[in-house]
Amino acid sequence: AQKITQTQPGMFVQEKEAVTLDCTYDTSDPSYGLFWYKQPSSGEMIFLIYQGSYDQQNATEGRYSLNFQKARKSANLVISASQLGDSAMYFCAMREGQGQNFVFGPGTRLSVLP
Amino acid sequence: ETGVTQSPTHLIKTRGQQVTLRCSSQSGHNTVSWYQQALGQGPQFIFQYYREEENGRGNFPPRFSGLQFPNYSSELNVNALELDDSALYLCASSLGDIPSGANVLTFGAGSRLTVL
Repeated sequence: AQKITQTQPGMFVQEKEAVTLDCTYDTSDPSYGLFWYKQPSSGEMIFLIYQGSYDQQNATEGRYSLNFQKARKSANLVISASQLGDSAMYFCAMREGQGQNFVFGPGTRLSVLP
Repeated sequence: ETGVTQSPTHLIKTRGQQVTLRCSSQSGHNTVSWYQQALGQGPQFIFQYYREEENGRGNFPPRFSGLQFPNYSSELNVNALELDDSALYLCASSLGDIPSGANVLTFGAGSRLTVL
């Protein structure tokens, strides 16, 4: 079973508009962390934002916010005021408990249009 | 503060050959993880090294092996290369002493391996 699902293979957004990238996850561990990474065409994975399973508030980092709905097991990334430089692949990932590995979703390709 | 650096950036091998990929971790990090990212997919966990010992492994065969050195740099070795080993290999470092799920992985730009 997929532990991380990203149902949007590709998304388009107009520059300066907001966009939401979907992520749902599956775990029976009460302690887990959810992460979003950006991967430009250069290949490097860039950390964007983190949400812990016990965090009461949604995480925010500048233009990035995470819409965490624990009961629905969703952790959607919201990018406000999109910029051309936001065009990239976006990956949702989960770490369970104190486990060593991250499990990544298949990614969403975001294209920002001028 | 230096980030994670990987070498080589690109390489081409033929089936049956062996390859070694190298990674220098971010300054202050003592844990290195390796991921394989096939074209159009998300990264998949290969293994992790903490203080020179392997302390976690994904679903990869034994021909994928690694090392971590006292300076926390690392190598990924792949023997008997197969066509399906063609992928971007990503190295990530972290501080393994932090007992927290918030421990973020810092990735390098990857080594792109093509097997012909």
